[in-house]
Amino acid sequence: QSALTQPASVSGSPGQSITISCTGTSSDVGSYNLVSWYQQRPGKAPKLMIYEGSKRPSGVSNRFSGSKSGNTASLTISGLQAEDEADYYCCSYAGSSTYVFGTGTKVTVL
Amino acid sequence: EVQLVESGGGLVQPGGSLRLSCAASEFTFSSYWMSWVRQAPGKGLEWVANINQDGSEKYYVDSVKGRFTISRDNAKNSLYLQMNSLRAEDTAVYYCARGGVGVWYFDLWGRGTLVTVSS
Repeated sequence: QSALTQPASVSGSPGQSITISCTGTSSDVGSYNLVSWYQQRPGKAPKLMIYEGSKRPSGVSNRFSGSKSGNTASLTISGLQAEDEADYYCCSYAGSSTYVFGTGTKVTVL
Repeated sequence: EVQLVESGGGLVQPGGSLRLSCAASEFTFSSYWMSWVRQAPGKGLEWVANINQDGSEKYYVDSVKGRFTISRDNAKNSLYLQMNSLRAEDTAVYYCARGGVGVWYFDLWGRGTLVTVSS
């Protein structure tokens, strides 16, 4: 049950695209297409942004997209906006009804 | 409004106990797996435990097994986390979240309740 590995920080200018990686193992990310992504602003609860690898909940901008290759999942934010500045966490189903979160990535809009 | 509201956090001494509650409203609570997720100060999210719809299945992260117990009362639309033998490393904001198995993500979160373990 080790945390998934994410870069500590990613930055970009308004309008650019950024990608956050989330690396796990063959026991979690690699075994299931059940990665979700959460946005968390300071002092607030996490908000679901992507589920089951690439699906967007109603109300989430189509600027957010998810993908997976092998043991690594990715979240891409296109057309970066100031409001996207937040912490982002990936989460994967890890079997036996358990979950593991990523280490978190701070996104800064320059 | 569809929401989850946690309560019961506070300051407790190492070795002590605390019971967290989570009140659900405006959705069919008994139809969902429910989970607890925590976040230590300045740190990342950590899944803690989940429970199935009727309370017959419960799962925990290794670090809390034998110390924490998740439970629910569907008649009261409430989720609970009994925390015993608390340690300093259990200090965190504890979030109640909807989701677990079948719904393979957490789509509804409460605002959290802070638990501080310190002498």
